[in-house]
Amino acid sequence: NAGVTQTPKFRVLKTGQSMTLLCAQDMNHEYMYWYRQDPGMGLRLIHYSVGEGTTAKGEVPDGYNVSRLKKQNFLLGLESAAPSQTSVYFCASSYSILQGRYFGPGTRLTVL
Amino acid sequence: ELKVEQNPLFLSMQEGKNYTIYCNYSTTSDRLYWYRQDPGKSLESLFVLLSNGAVKQEGRLMASLDTKARLSTLHITAAVHDLSATYFCAVDNTDKLIFGTGTRLQVFP
Repeated sequence: NAGVTQTPKFRVLKTGQSMTLLCAQDMNHEYMYWYRQDPGMGLRLIHYSVGEGTTAKGEVPDGYNVSRLKKQNFLLGLESAAPSQTSVYFCASSYSILQGRYFGPGTRLTVL
Repeated sequence: ELKVEQNPLFLSMQEGKNYTIYCNYSTTSDRLYWYRQDPGKSLESLFVLLSNGAVKQEGRLMASLDTKARLSTLHITAAVHDLSATYFCAVDNTDKLIFGTGTRLQVFP
């Protein structure tokens, strides 16, 4: 099992560009999450999904969109990147809300 | 709105000493998690606490949960250098896992 994987690992964007981050899990988990981590801060929830075809807003959803067309994949989109979106992005999944989340390795995004 | 606070934010301790990290949260929840993060790495799940009075232990780390006080503790016994990392608590709130700001632990000889 690969667990939770994220693509890409690193990315540099210019302000206004768009991109999509891909998260994939092979554990048949229902729940998937996108977090961002900024220096000196804990992780903040951007969006999450409780099953295929569902999405919901987290703590800091503005400027991001998500889609969960397949159970194993959760995509995070930035339509018009801003420097404030420079961060490390972590994807996570879990079988149920009673389980700890399994985290991916992270994507380091820099917006110039 | 659920808020999760950890203290201390930074902890420098000598090998062999004991210490406790505290995690307070603002609204009712009976699901609390502890994670470890090494620099530049992802998060590793340490403990899942699902009820009042829950206590879990793994090696030199022990976590407990008091839902009435809205408090969890992570106790470190006889610290060793390998425990140096950042530790996060996180509280479940209607499908959302809200994280504390983390405690950066540094263990020195």
